[in-house]
Amino acid sequence: GENVEQHPSTLSVQEGDSAVIKCTYSDSASNYFPWYKQELGKGPQLIIDIRSNVGEKKDQRIAVTLNKTAKHFSLHITETQPEDSAVYFCAALMEYGNKLVFGAGTILRVKS
Amino acid sequence: EAGVVQSPRYKIIEKKQPVAFWCNPISGHNTLYWYLQNLGQGPELLIRYENEEAVDDSQLPKDRFSAERLKGVDSTLKIQPAELGDSAVYLCASSLQVNTEAFFGQGTRLTVV
Repeated sequence: GENVEQHPSTLSVQEGDSAVIKCTYSDSASNYFPWYKQELGKGPQLIIDIRSNVGEKKDQRIAVTLNKTAKHFSLHITETQPEDSAVYFCAALMEYGNKLVFGAGTILRVKS
Repeated sequence: EAGVVQSPRYKIIEKKQPVAFWCNPISGHNTLYWYLQNLGQGPELLIRYENEEAVDDSQLPKDRFSAERLKGVDSTLKIQPAELGDSAVYLCASSLQVNTEAFFGQGTRLTVV
């Protein structure tokens, strides 16, 4: 069935270091891959997304890479700051039903 | 411009009681979603509306859950009767179209006791 696996479930980094979160998806026809950041008590907020016609996208300290052949995509955060601490979710839009399926989330802790 | 507005933010009810959640999407957004988020998990789609039509409700437990989106704007999600396992955060989101950025509300945290 439709599935998105996300790793790691928790990630602790020192302030200024980089953080990488990886996801794999099952539907080879998926063509839209957003990443969301969720802070405590709030709804998820889109931080970056990528479509299948590109392999990489960057926005300041955040970048996403996509490997369609391997069906995986990754979030890269450079120069991490304490305010980056949150739960991050990847998602993939499944072609069947146009359904957005989320990963289980990664708790990122940036230690100062 | 206001984002997606949900109410109430918190709700505590006894099992077997009914409960309703309300969502006001961003103006002009045709697509509206209701998601269920259990603790420590990602959101799971319950139902998706295109204007006033429910186009994907395959994950909605129809024996106790119902939803409506009258006039293609606001939406309500109802549970009757609630069960202990329904305790979760219920998120509403909206987007211009199905494959564009979805904006989430702050959610309603439901506790069934």
